[in-house]
Amino acid sequence: GAGVSQSPSNKVTEKGKDVELRCDPISGHTALYWYRQSLGQGLEFLIYFQGNSAPDKSGLPSDRFSAERTGGSVSTLTIQRTQQEDSAVYLCASSFAPAQETQYFGPGTRLLVL
Amino acid sequence: GIQVEQSPPDLILQEGANSTLRCNFSDSVNNLQWFHQNPWGQLINLFYIPSGTKQNGRLSATTVATERYSLLYISSSQTTDSGVYFCAVPPGGTYKYIFGTGTRLKVLA
Repeated sequence: GAGVSQSPSNKVTEKGKDVELRCDPISGHTALYWYRQSLGQGLEFLIYFQGNSAPDKSGLPSDRFSAERTGGSVSTLTIQRTQQEDSAVYLCASSFAPAQETQYFGPGTRLLVL
Repeated sequence: GIQVEQSPPDLILQEGANSTLRCNFSDSVNNLQWFHQNPWGQLINLFYIPSGTKQNGRLSATTVATERYSLLYISSSQTTDSGVYFCAVPPGGTYKYIFGTGTRLKVLA
């Protein structure tokens, strides 16, 4: 596709349920990032992938959060046993190479945990 | 960890006015990016600018890495420039981009 796509665009879930968020990066981009943006706040780094490996997982808030990337393309962010404080917009970005290249962002997934 | 501060936090301009947004960072970095988040939440990359000056239409940016700051210039502002402007830097040797606090810009017609 022409840009980074994310699905679903909106997700409402009940506290304690698991959710999966998907990111399709721009074709050919080897680096992929996940960020979280709480209401009215800045962006918080979650995890970075180079290819299928994640050399930096330091931003994941707790062990309820995990992410994987397969085939050097699609990535899934999973939140287990969701809590109300997980409510936020989850943004994915990709770039040709890590750090040295422009990041292109998807439209985000708006997650609301009731 | 590295601190990234932006100023001013809020800015209201009349259409046609010029403005300068500032990004200060507390540690040395190898690169810096500026983003615009429009009122619908979409983030658009404006500049990848680890050092020097770049221009793109009415926007330009300058980064002085040795003095740990970057400036974003908006000339002849338009209502479509409204939104939040973020700078982001990865601390040396990492790919963990740290975003600044943002400048919220509103341009009035």
